[in-house]
Amino acid sequence: DAGVIQSPRHEVTEMGQEVTLRCKPISGHDYLFWYRQTMMRGLELLIYFNNNVPIDDSGMPEDRFSAKMPNASFSTLKIQPSEPRDSAVYFCASSQPGTGNNEQFFGPGTRLTVL
Amino acid sequence: AQKVTQAQTEISVVEKEDVTLDCVYETRDTTYYLFWYKQPPSGELVFLIRRNSFDEQNEISGRYSWNFQKSTSSFNFTITASQVVDSAVYFCALSEARLTTGTYKYIFGTGTRLKVLA
Repeated sequence: DAGVIQSPRHEVTEMGQEVTLRCKPISGHDYLFWYRQTMMRGLELLIYFNNNVPIDDSGMPEDRFSAKMPNASFSTLKIQPSEPRDSAVYFCASSQPGTGNNEQFFGPGTRLTVL
Repeated sequence: AQKVTQAQTEISVVEKEDVTLDCVYETRDTTYYLFWYKQPPSGELVFLIRRNSFDEQNEISGRYSWNFQKSTSSFNFTITASQVVDSAVYFCALSEARLTTGTYKYIFGTGTRLKVLA
């Protein structure tokens, strides 16, 4: 398996622009997680899905952030409009807890810079 | 409420020294899972180990070993004969398992930065 795939790996944009981050989970994994990592706040869980349904979005910072999972193999995290404080590394992870091996497998991350 | 505490923000050791990274957790559930992840300078998060709450056996994998003690709510990680390649940030994480509701939230600690000096 190719592992969790994220695109783009790097994104530089200007304040006010819309940003879309993409994630393809490991095939067969029922859970998908979006995290944000910054020096100040560490690793924060933004939202996670189970079988394409959002379970907990309490970590989404504000209405400018939205996430979707239209099917089992694709998810997006959108920021509109983006702000400089959104600059961070965004990780996507997937897991399959039903097997008892519920460790999360992370993608390589998307480094977002908002100027 | 769940909580994971990694009190050591940064540790520096000289190559070949042994080092232990501490992890203390809080949970009210009887069924839970504990994890360690490694984040090298390249930035990816690499899964190292999983432990469930019913298995208190310590585990050894090469130079890595883990000591799980429910009595002290700790899940410590020891690297024996450290090497420069071990330099990374290490995260401890806790997951409560509520399969009936589909909730499977992970709580990560703040991480410990390990620097192994040649």
